[in-house]
Amino acid sequence: AQSVAQPEDQVNVAEGNPLTVKCTYSVSGNPYLFWYVQYPNRGLQFLLKYITGDNLVKGSYGFEAEFNKSQTSFHLKKPSALVSDSALYFCAVRDSLFSGGYNKLIFGAGTRLAVHP
Amino acid sequence: DGGITQSPKYLFRKEGQNVTLSCEQNLNHDAMYWYRQDPGQGLRLIYYSQIVNDFQKGDIAEGYSVSREKKESFPLTVTSAQKNPTAFYLCASSPDLLYGYTFGSGTRLTVV
Repeated sequence: AQSVAQPEDQVNVAEGNPLTVKCTYSVSGNPYLFWYVQYPNRGLQFLLKYITGDNLVKGSYGFEAEFNKSQTSFHLKKPSALVSDSALYFCAVRDSLFSGGYNKLIFGAGTRLAVHP
Repeated sequence: DGGITQSPKYLFRKEGQNVTLSCEQNLNHDAMYWYRQDPGQGLRLIYYSQIVNDFQKGDIAEGYSVSREKKESFPLTVTSAQKNPTAFYLCASSPDLLYGYTFGSGTRLTVV
């Protein structure tokens, strides 16, 4: 079955330190991968995506993600965390078996990032 | 500015009552989706639609209904048959297979 796993419910990091939020996936064929961020009582905001090309993808707010095909991972990273980065982060992969031309995404359970001053 | 508007932001439902959540987009996207978000469970697909007057059940469609009479609008009705409707509901749209989703700001539904 196609799936996305975010193994950490919460990640704690001190402001100014690098952060990593982990994501692994299982899909048939080439993966289309996405990261979204959600602030309290808000919708999800797009951060970045990997479709093809360079394994290191740069996105919004200084975030980047590294695609690793052999490890089936797409970890989200930022060199220097800010308190304002504290939010819920979701990894998603396009469901390649979904029919009818729809762009269905499979979401992970989310990882709460807490950045401490 | 283009985007997706969900209303209301908060909604309270009494037992046995049907309620309708609004979703409107001005992005000219063909596909629209409804997801339900519960703590620790990620997002689960309720219904989706690619074109006007066509929609399909997602993974958890029981107790929900939708309509797509206009490209811009995709309202979700939570019926009395949905036994545990308290959740955060998210509407999304997408233009094609290479694009992710654009999300609305969500509606929090609570049963009282």
